[in-house]
Amino acid sequence: DQQVKQNSPSLSVQEGRISILNCDYTNSMFDYFLWYKKYPAEGPTFLISISSIKDKNEDGRFTVFLNKSAKHLSLHIVPSQPGDSAVYFCAASAGTYKYIFGTGTRLKVLA
Amino acid sequence: KAGVTQTPRYLIKTRGQQVTLSCSPISGHRSVSWYQQTPGQGLQFLFEYFSETQRNKGNFPGRFSGRQFSNSRSEMNVSTLELGDSALYLCASRGTDNYEQYFGPGTRLTVT
Repeated sequence: DQQVKQNSPSLSVQEGRISILNCDYTNSMFDYFLWYKKYPAEGPTFLISISSIKDKNEDGRFTVFLNKSAKHLSLHIVPSQPGDSAVYFCAASAGTYKYIFGTGTRLKVLA
Repeated sequence: KAGVTQTPRYLIKTRGQQVTLSCSPISGHRSVSWYQQTPGQGLQFLFEYFSETQRNKGNFPGRFSGRQFSNSRSEMNVSTLELGDSALYLCASRGTDNYEQYFGPGTRLTVT
């Protein structure tokens, strides 16, 4: 049972445009969500997080939106840069520090 | 501040053998979690240790075990290796009362 789903395995975006990565979850007990970026041969790097008491969190070019009623979150990257090309994982926690990760979306930013 | 380190980076083992992987967290972090990453499966949570105690456990067989030492360093052991155990094993550390985890580069285990 995949509680956290990233239904798009890959996404291509032109440099300078917006990248939108999506994540759906099924467990209504999840109360904290995180996004990670992973380059080949490296561990995931923490990007941005959001608590369930918020619906938006921004950090520079990265914004995460949370829609609790739809059990959906998204990561917006504006503007997209070639260095953003990586695999992006969303993760969720139900207050136990046990994180459930999605299967990842490979983003390719075209120059 | 030094990041999370994992040793070894690469490992090749034979079916039936056992293996021990090591993880040193960021200084001051007392929580260490372990994950298995395989193609198409994302990151699967193995377990979390905090102050030498296992606090959370994922859905893996008992062949997968771990421990944490008083200096917060952690080891993960896999006994009776199977071909399906071939994966990237990642550890992550976290500060107290902080949700953000910081990952090491991983250990690539290949079982032949």
